[in-house]
Amino acid sequence: AQSVTQLGSHVSVSEGALVLLRCNYSSSVPPYLFWYVQYPNQGLQLLLKYTSAATLVKGINGFEAEFKKSETSFHLTKPSAHMSDAAEYFCAVSDRRTAGNKLTFGGGTRVLVKP
Amino acid sequence: SQTIHQWPATLVQPVGSPLSLECTVEGTSNPNLYWYRQAAGRGLQLLFYSIGIDQISSEVPQNLSASRPQDRQFILSSKKLLLSDSGFYLCAWSVTGSKYEQYFGPGTRLTVT
Repeated sequence: AQSVTQLGSHVSVSEGALVLLRCNYSSSVPPYLFWYVQYPNQGLQLLLKYTSAATLVKGINGFEAEFKKSETSFHLTKPSAHMSDAAEYFCAVSDRRTAGNKLTFGGGTRVLVKP
Repeated sequence: SQTIHQWPATLVQPVGSPLSLECTVEGTSNPNLYWYRQAAGRGLQLLFYSIGIDQISSEVPQNLSASRPQDRQFILSSKKLLLSDSGFYLCAWSVTGSKYEQYFGPGTRLTVT
């Protein structure tokens, strides 16, 4: 069965510092992996996706993530945090066992950016 | 381009009252459609998904139901709301046969009092 674990439900970073959000997944088949961002009282916005091409994936807003099969990880990074990065971030893995393009989401990591 | 709409944006309903939330997608045909709920501190829970008209699957047992009267319309309903139904409801869509990325609507904040 597919599962996603996001280490740390809350992360606090200083403006200008590295943002690192951890995601580990479990999948019985080669996965597709996603990071989404959610601002307060809004829907989720796709940040980036891994779909079995390049293992280093670049997304919007300066974020990138690296797929590491040996570590079953897909950690999200941004070299320099901006105040506008304060949001909740969700990692997700595809469920390719059934029809419907379902995703399994992690519990989310809320990012606080300190000035 | 594709857009997804949800309404209402916010809703306050008493316990035991009915519920109807609507989701509409524009600019695509035969999308997969999804209803999620975010309860406080509980992450994102998939409630229903649909791969076509009259093809709806339920992911968790509950007092909610879903219907898809038209190709690009997805409705979430309840006959009698419970306090535990409070939360943020998100509709999403994806392209059949795509690499699984889903696109989310703006959400409906439901408070059951």
